[in-house]
Amino acid sequence: DTGVSQDPRHKITKRGQNVTFRCDPISEHNRLYWYRQTLGQGPEFLTYFQNEAQLEKSRLLSDRFSAERPKGSFSTLEIQRTEQGDSAMYLCASSLAMAIQETQYFGPGTRLLVL
Amino acid sequence: GQQLNQSPQSMFIQEGEDVSMNCTSSSIFNTWLWYKQDPGEGPVLLIALYKAGELTSNGRLTAQFGITRKDSFLNISASIPSDVGIYFCAGQLGFLIQGAQKLVFGQGTRLTINP
Repeated sequence: DTGVSQDPRHKITKRGQNVTFRCDPISEHNRLYWYRQTLGQGPEFLTYFQNEAQLEKSRLLSDRFSAERPKGSFSTLEIQRTEQGDSAMYLCASSLAMAIQETQYFGPGTRLLVL
Repeated sequence: GQQLNQSPQSMFIQEGEDVSMNCTSSSIFNTWLWYKQDPGEGPVLLIALYKAGELTSNGRLTAQFGITRKDSFLNISASIPSDVGIYFCAGQLGFLIQGAQKLVFGQGTRLTINP
C-alpha cells in the first residue's frame, strides 16, 4: 500500500507526558500537512511542510507543539506536557504541489487520549 | 478556526434514495474537495473540483463547484449501505499562494441509511 501512513494509530497518555507521532507521506509528495480533528468537527489545520521547510503554522499550534520533517520525507509531531484538551485525532496529509492542481491525501490518523 | 457552512448536519434516508448536501463560504476558494470519513479513520477523497462551474462525477457521486466560488454541492444517487459515514467538504484558496495552501473544512454531514 503506497498511501499515507501514521504511527501509532492510538495513544493513551497521562497529563503532563510528552508524545510523538510519525507520518510517512506518499512517496514523491513534497508537501506534508498536519491537521487536528475533535469529535463532531471537521479537521483543522496545524502546520505544513514543503520538503524540509515548515512554511506555515496555525495559531492552534501552541509552544508545546513542534513538528519536523528533517529529510523531506517522514514527519514527526511532538506534544510536550500534554493536556486533556489535546485529546483529538491527529491527521497527516500529503500532496504533490508541482502540478497545476494540488490534492491532499490523508492518512488514517492517530487518536490521542490524554487522561 | 474558520470553517465552511455545511448542511445538512445529518441525514436519515432509506436505501436507494438520492442524497444531496452542500457547502457555503463567505469567501472564495479556488479548489473544492469532498471527502468521506468512516469512524476511526482518516478522510478519503471522493471528488476534487478545480474550476468554477465544474461538474464532476465519480460513479454514483456528482459534485459541482459553484460559479461564485463560494459554494459546492455533492449528490449521491441510489444510496447503498456502504455510503454510511460522514461527508466533509473542504476548500483551498490556492496552492501557489503563500499562506493559502491549507484546507478549510465544513463540519460534516452524517449520513445514516435504513436498509
